[in-house]
Amino acid sequence: DQQVKQNSPSLSVQEGRISILNCDYTNSMFDYFLWYKKYPAEGPTFLISISSIKDKNEDGRFTVFLNKSAKHLSLHIVPSQPGDSAVYFCAATDYHYSGGSNYKLTFGKGTLLTVNP
Amino acid sequence: EPEVTQTPSHQVTQMGQEVILRCVPISNHLYFYWYRQILGQKVEFLVSFYNNEISEKSEIFDDQFSVERPDGSNFTLKIRSTKLEDSAMYFCASRLQGRSPLHFGNGTRLTVT
Repeated sequence: DQQVKQNSPSLSVQEGRISILNCDYTNSMFDYFLWYKKYPAEGPTFLISISSIKDKNEDGRFTVFLNKSAKHLSLHIVPSQPGDSAVYFCAATDYHYSGGSNYKLTFGKGTLLTVNP
Repeated sequence: EPEVTQTPSHQVTQMGQEVILRCVPISNHLYFYWYRQILGQKVEFLVSFYNNEISEKSEIFDDQFSVERPDGSNFTLKIRSTKLEDSAMYFCASRLQGRSPLHFGNGTRLTVT
């Protein structure tokens, strides 16, 4: 039951270029989306989020785009740096349908990003 | 920056034994979670906890699992009789309220032999 899909298990980019990580979801109730980064032997670290009332959210080098009609979101990292090399997880929740604050996240399988110097 | 801490980092146990995984969430957070990740698979929700009771649990969280917040700071996950398939990385997470994101600990790697 893959409600959140990250179809690319890995991505390799050159330092300074753009990294684009993609995520698709199937559950129409999902209305809040988050990206997490994970280094080996560490827990996931929150990067950026977006609510379904927006189509773009930006934080420094990280921008998340949401296309609700396509049930697709993407994370852009510009410029990519070697320290960005990690596994990136897309996660989603039905924030409003689950009663607001008391939400849980459904994760994708992750994409391993490698940024080459 | 405050963080979620988990102990131990690695636990090895024999099948059928009880294990307790421990977590200290961020102090002013209100919502607490356990997730797990079996090697090569996705991070899966186990249970959420709010106001001293379970808010939601997944199908994975059967009668062998329990959670407790005994003293207002620790949050524990107990597996009563471990099975080989319980081997996984277990992540504790906490969050404040509203749309605040989950903050995860570094996980406990549970190996059942």
